Amino acid sequence: GNSVTQMEGPVTLSEEAFLTINCTYTATGYPSLFWYVQYPGEGLQLLLKATKADDKGSNKGFEATYRKETTSFHLEKGSVQVSDSAVYFCALSPTSGSRLTFGEGTQLTVNP
Amino acid sequence: DTEVTQTPKHLVMGMTNKKSLKCEQHMGHRAMYWYKQKAKKPPELMFVYSYEKLSINESVPSRFSPECPNSSLLNLHLHALQPEDSALYLCASSPGTGARGANVLTFGAGSRLTVL
Repeated sequence: GNSVTQMEGPVTLSEEAFLTINCTYTATGYPSLFWYVQYPGEGLQLLLKATKADDKGSNKGFEATYRKETTSFHLEKGSVQVSDSAVYFCALSPTSGSRLTFGEGTQLTVNP
Repeated sequence: DTEVTQTPKHLVMGMTNKKSLKCEQHMGHRAMYWYKQKAKKPPELMFVYSYEKLSINESVPSRFSPECPNSSLLNLHLHALQPEDSALYLCASSPGTGARGANVLTFGAGSRLTVL
């Protein structure tokens, strides 16, 4: 079956530090890959996505590249802000169908 | 309009109460979803409606009853819940459920349910 593995948190960084949150997946076919972010007390927001190998998703300074050879979709940001403090979920959607598979989530705290 | 709106934001109910959660979207999406999220955990899929028909029921107890009156609305009727059902209930929608490009979900802010 499909699965997503995220690096365990929580992650605590100082403002302007470099962020990497690792995500690897197991799936058949050609899944789509997503990063969702959940701010405290809110629902999930789509941060970025990639639908095929070597695609790079980017948004708000965050980037992730769909690497089929390493089955990875690591999230990066060059300089985090306090406002980036949230829980980040990596997810995949199969080649067809609507069943999102989520990772366990990574809590990020950015201190001023 | 690119939002999924959920009401109420907070709900407290007793185990004998009947209540409903409501979800609305006006993006023309044809698939709508209910997820349950416990603290510090990822969302768990409960139900999927595709073109107003129930297409996935993840073996959810019958005390949760979904309803899709039309393509813009999704309800979750609650009856005889247990304290362990306390959670954040998230509604989501997507353009469709088939092709990869159609399965990007837009989530609402959630309804936080407490069962006493």
